Amino acid sequence: EAQVTQNPRYLITVTGKKLTVTCSQNMNHEYMSWYRQDPGLGLRQIYYSMNVEVTDKGDVPEGYKVSRKEKRNFPLILESPSPNQTSLYFCASSRAGASSYEQYFGPGTRLTVT
Amino acid sequence: QKEVEQDPGPLSVPEGAIVSLNCTYSNSAFQYFMWYRQYSRKGPELLMYTYSSGNKEDGRFTAQVDKSSKYISLFIRDSQPSDSATYLCAMNSWGKLQFGAGTQVVVTP
Repeated sequence: EAQVTQNPRYLITVTGKKLTVTCSQNMNHEYMSWYRQDPGLGLRQIYYSMNVEVTDKGDVPEGYKVSRKEKRNFPLILESPSPNQTSLYFCASSRAGASSYEQYFGPGTRLTVT
Repeated sequence: QKEVEQDPGPLSVPEGAIVSLNCTYSNSAFQYFMWYRQYSRKGPELLMYTYSSGNKEDGRFTAQVDKSSKYISLFIRDSQPSDSATYLCAMNSWGKLQFGAGTQVVVTP
């Protein structure tokens, strides 16, 4: 089954404790992206990657890091989480370039930072 | 000012009515215009996309894009309770995507 998987699905952590949210896709997509979703603000793009070893900032990259060492994986790293990073996070993948209009989303990771 | 504006609703309609959703945008560089549907506790899924100005139909759904006015719309005909969801407009420019805030739609039987 073609899918995007994220782990963990739910996470409660404390301020300053480094964490990683994993994302993996099995569709051989070149493009991958991370979003956060907050009430009233919709989906905001954090980082995206057009291909392996190529990453770019989205609209809200501060406080986040990503890496793309393999085509199928695109982990999101919070080096020192803060309460304002409490949010619902989605990973997505798609074919490359202009075809990135068709994003396939993962199930989401609900993160709470206390 | 946000690059994409969308009324968050909620929008409540009776079953069978036409649902009308819209977004405005400010960036002329946007190339593709999309509508995603998101059910509660799920990730968004692509509903329709358009590339140029004009209309595009898919069953009960019609997407409209007016690039001169920087305005896009989605119409849902003969709405069903199963159409109850949040609808997000989205636009992309070479990999960078912008989403609207999403409009919550409730179709009552």
